[in-house]
Amino acid sequence: QQQVKQSPQSLIVQKGGISIINCAYENTAFDYFPWYQQFPGKGPALLIAIRPDVSEKKEGRFTISFNKSAKQFSLHIMDSQPGDSATYFCAASFGNQGAQKLVFGQGTRLTINP
Amino acid sequence: KAGVTQTPRYLIKTRGQQVTLSCSPISGHRSVSWYQQTPGQGLQFLFEYFSETQRNKGNFPGRFSGRQFSNSRSEMNVSTLELGDSALYLCASSQGLAGAGLHTQYFGPGTRLTVL
Repeated sequence: QQQVKQSPQSLIVQKGGISIINCAYENTAFDYFPWYQQFPGKGPALLIAIRPDVSEKKEGRFTISFNKSAKQFSLHIMDSQPGDSATYFCAASFGNQGAQKLVFGQGTRLTINP
Repeated sequence: KAGVTQTPRYLIKTRGQQVTLSCSPISGHRSVSWYQQTPGQGLQFLFEYFSETQRNKGNFPGRFSGRQFSNSRSEMNVSTLELGDSALYLCASSQGLAGAGLHTQYFGPGTRLTVL
């Protein structure tokens, strides 16, 4: 019930295309859903995050779509660029007296072909 | 502002040994969390420290322990190393308790531990 399932494991998209990564969760107590981007040799970096009281959040070319009833959320990268090639992780957490325990998906290795 | 610093970056140990990893958070950050990253299990939460107290713990055996000092720097210790402990250990800091996105966590580059 603590798991977050992420798909696909790897994704190849042409430059200028739309990259879509999906995640599903079971624990309805989760109330914070961030996406992280990780480049080789670096730690993950927060990309964009959403809370379940909104269905969509957009920041530049990155959009999170959130479906509370289906317990699913997805990351859309519009006009994908070679510099977007990285591993993307979805995550979920809930507050526990202020402490956070992020549960991560397995990651998606995204390759943008020029 | 300097980012999260982790030392050492690479470490090779043998089974049965113990290891201590160090994390220096971003200046002003009081919360430090540790994660283990492996190809098979992905990113898994180990524990979070705030004001020198462990506030949250993941599902890892007691061989994994940590502590936080008064300057917010944190150390993680793994005793009696096993082959399966080979992983990238990531430290993340935030201004306060990360509590469901109240404060953004910033990750360091990690320490790559190899157990032979």
